[in-house]
Amino acid sequence: GESVGLHLPTLSVQEGDNSIINCAYSNSASDYFIWYKQESGKGPQFIIDIRSNMDKRQGQRVTVLLNKTVKHLSLQIAATQPGDSAVYFCAENLNSGYSTLTFGKGTMLLVSP
Amino acid sequence: KAGVTQTPRYLIKTRGQQVTLSCSPISGHRSVSWYQQTPGQGLQFLFEYFSETQRNKGNFPGRFSGRQFSNSRSEMNVSTLELGDSALYLCASSFSGGNTEAFFGQGTRLTVV
Repeated sequence: GESVGLHLPTLSVQEGDNSIINCAYSNSASDYFIWYKQESGKGPQFIIDIRSNMDKRQGQRVTVLLNKTVKHLSLQIAATQPGDSAVYFCAENLNSGYSTLTFGKGTMLLVSP
Repeated sequence: KAGVTQTPRYLIKTRGQQVTLSCSPISGHRSVSWYQQTPGQGLQFLFEYFSETQRNKGNFPGRFSGRQFSNSRSEMNVSTLELGDSALYLCASSFSGGNTEAFFGQGTRLTVV
């Protein structure tokens, strides 16, 4: 039968708004997490990472929050711009000895001017 | 510093053929991981190489294989291609694997007809 594509959740915001993208990760033993941005036709672009011994990390216009109790990550983008429109993935590393990322399904962010 | 380079960008092959994809990591990075991205399954881990050794392997059939050379460049091979192998194949490089930043290339779009 025909394969069904992933139905990505979509977040639509206005330019200048703050955006919050959420992600539930799968393994309580994961100790490293990365957020990626993927634009159409391109590979995932590294945004920010966080280790499990932290609950918050800030970058330029982005903040990642980690709640290990409920296995939840969020990415906050301040003053969202049209160029931020893309699919955002969270990824967890299950084994600190290897680079073996498990990706979430992704969230599409649409920013209107 | 040059990013991760994948060649070719696009490939069209027929069922039953085999294909080889190439990845040149960021200079100084010794870990290369490969991922398959499809609309139905999202991003899935194939395997990771470090210092010419496969360190970890995902849940893919033996038709998928890879190798890494002494200069850290990596190739992956898919034999006896099937229609379902049509996907975007991505490689990611990191300094040492594990919990270190992983950067992706633009990917190779493989279409099997």
